[in-house]
Amino acid sequence: AQRVTQPEKLLSVFKGAPVELKCNYSYSGSPELFWYVQYSRQRLQLLLRHISRESIKGFTADLNKGETSFHLKKPFAQEEDSAMYYCALRDSNSGYALNFGKGTSLLVTP
Amino acid sequence: EADIYQTPRYLVIGTGKKITLECSQTMGHDKMYWYQQDPGMELHLIHYSYGVNSTEKGDLSSESTVSRIRTEHFPLTLESARPSHTSQYLCASSQPGTGRSYNEQFFGPGTRLTVL
Repeated sequence: AQRVTQPEKLLSVFKGAPVELKCNYSYSGSPELFWYVQYSRQRLQLLLRHISRESIKGFTADLNKGETSFHLKKPFAQEEDSAMYYCALRDSNSGYALNFGKGTSLLVTP
Repeated sequence: EADIYQTPRYLVIGTGKKITLECSQTMGHDKMYWYQQDPGMELHLIHYSYGVNSTEKGDLSSESTVSRIRTEHFPLTLESARPSHTSQYLCASSQPGTGRSYNEQFFGPGTRLTVL
């Protein structure tokens, strides 16, 4: 069964501190993983995807197949990073819909 | 401007009423999806569509139904609303593309439904 696990419901860090949002997945095939973000009063939007291997707003995420993880990292958190972050796995069996984790609320305090 | 729209944004309704949640996209996407999200929980896929006249049920069993008569329109209907249907409903669309937009899903603003 496909599953995405985000173990932390809430993560609070100080501005300038490193941040890591954890995501683990279970998937029998070759996974395609995403991080989506929802800022306050805004709609859910794509942050980054593992295929692109890019850095967006200073965030990076590396797919580790051995540990079945796709953790989101940023070396220096900013207050504007405060948001809800969802890890998602593409489901090739359901029209390429997304299996989402429960989300982690990141709060960056000054 | 290309976008995905959902109406109403908020709906409070009594038990037994029939309701339709509207979703329209002007992005020209073939694939569309409905997700349901309870507070503090993950999004669950309830319906999806590959294109016109295509509708499929998602992983989460739902008493709602959908239709796809036009590419841009994917409404969700509840024939008889119940308190257990209280939730947020998110509509999304996607299209195979190239580069960064490849299979990216774009989400609407959501409809928050409360059934009394």
